[in-house]
Parts: sequence; structure tokens; C-alpha cells
Amino acid sequence: SQQGEEDPQALSIQEGENATMNCSYKTSINNLQWYRQNSGRGLVHLILIRSNEREKHSGRLRVTLDTSKKSSSLLITASRAADTASYFCATNSGGGADGLTFGKGTHLIIQP
Amino acid sequence: GAVVSQHPSWVICKSGTSVKIECRSLDFQATTMFWYRQFPKQSLMLMATSNEGSKATYEQGVEKDKFLINHASLTLSTLTVTSAHPEDSSFYICSARVASGSPEQFFGPGTRLTVL
Repeated sequence: SQQGEEDPQALSIQEGENATMNCSYKTSINNLQWYRQNSGRGLVHLILIRSNEREKHSGRLRVTLDTSKKSSSLLITASRAADTASYFCATNSGGGADGLTFGKGTHLIIQP
Repeated sequence: GAVVSQHPSWVICKSGTSVKIECRSLDFQATTMFWYRQFPKQSLMLMATSNEGSKATYEQGVEKDKFLINHASLTLSTLTVTSAHPEDSSFYICSARVASGSPEQFFGPGTRLTVL
């Protein structure tokens, strides 16, 4: 069932600026993942953060997780035009056995 | 590594026909595959979990007789949309887990189904 809520739904920024997207969820989780989807394409896995982690970095990506608030944020630094895409958070609560529950997504537009 | 393919990429069919979509793990064995559906400008919704050699587990509200899932081998799962209707038009995406207990899923490129 759908439980994630991304905020904002859409975001438009200038190239070079930082983009921050937030995600909230409702149930206890095992891990939270962020994915990118270019228009009409499949999903690309960006980063996974486990429930016992608070922050994780991968290149220009920084993810935070606050399990007490049931929320996560994705920060993309020094944005590029190629970062234009939809970004989804997804939660997994069954140790990998269950399918993912996706948030509604944030559509990010990077203006050159 | 961990590449998942889907076939076909897109399909257009007449109302009432059945359509089969294949999901293959190309360079690994996937004991579990997942099928998702995505309507335009919406998020992905999990439809079912497909386990090799056993019956699929369907999410609430997904008709198992309409969306037939077969996971006959460790590298192939198929989704058949039976008696398709225009409201079944959607983007169908599969994913696969590399190993038991691994939380990471690798997604296929998706199949766009249009039912006329």
C-alpha cells in the first residue's frame, strides 16, 4: 500500500544549486531507498539507508533518515541538467522479503 | 552486473486480448521478482511478489485471475494481463532481488501497455 509522501511534488531550480527532497512514511521500516526515474523509463537505484543509520553519502547525494519522525531527505548538491527526473523514496519493512512501498515522488527540473 | 530486462518495451492491443510481459534477470539468479504498475504521473504500486516455483503473492485489490504471474525459472517471471481493457493501460515494471535477504532491488526498463 502507498504510504510515502514526497515533498515537494515538483521542484524547479537553476543548474548548480542544491536540491532537497523530503519523504515521510507511516510504518516501521527495515530500510529506505531512493530511486530516480527519467520520463517513461525504468528506475535507477540511487542509495539505500538502513533503519539504524542516520546519514549516508554517495557522490553528490546525501541522504538522512530520522526514524523518530519517520522521514528522510535526499540532497543533491551542485545540480546538473542531467539530474532532471522524478525521484522516489521507497521503504522496505520485511528484511528484503517484501516488495517496496513507494512514495508519490518529486519531479525535479534543473534549468540550465 | 544485476541487469534486469523486460520484453516487450511497449505493446498496443485491442480490448479483450491477453498480453504477456516477460521479466528476465540477465546475469544473476532471482528467487524473488516483483511486479509494479505505474499510471501516468503517479508512483509505482506493488502488484505482486513472484517466487520461483511457487504461487505469486498478490497485493490487496489486485485480481490474481486477471494478472497471471508465472515464475518458472530463476531468471524469468512473466505477467499476463488477461482480457485487457483500456483501464489496464499502464506502465508495468518488474524488479528482482539479487540474493535472499538482500534489500536492494534491480528494476527492469518497464513495459508500456496501451489497450485500445
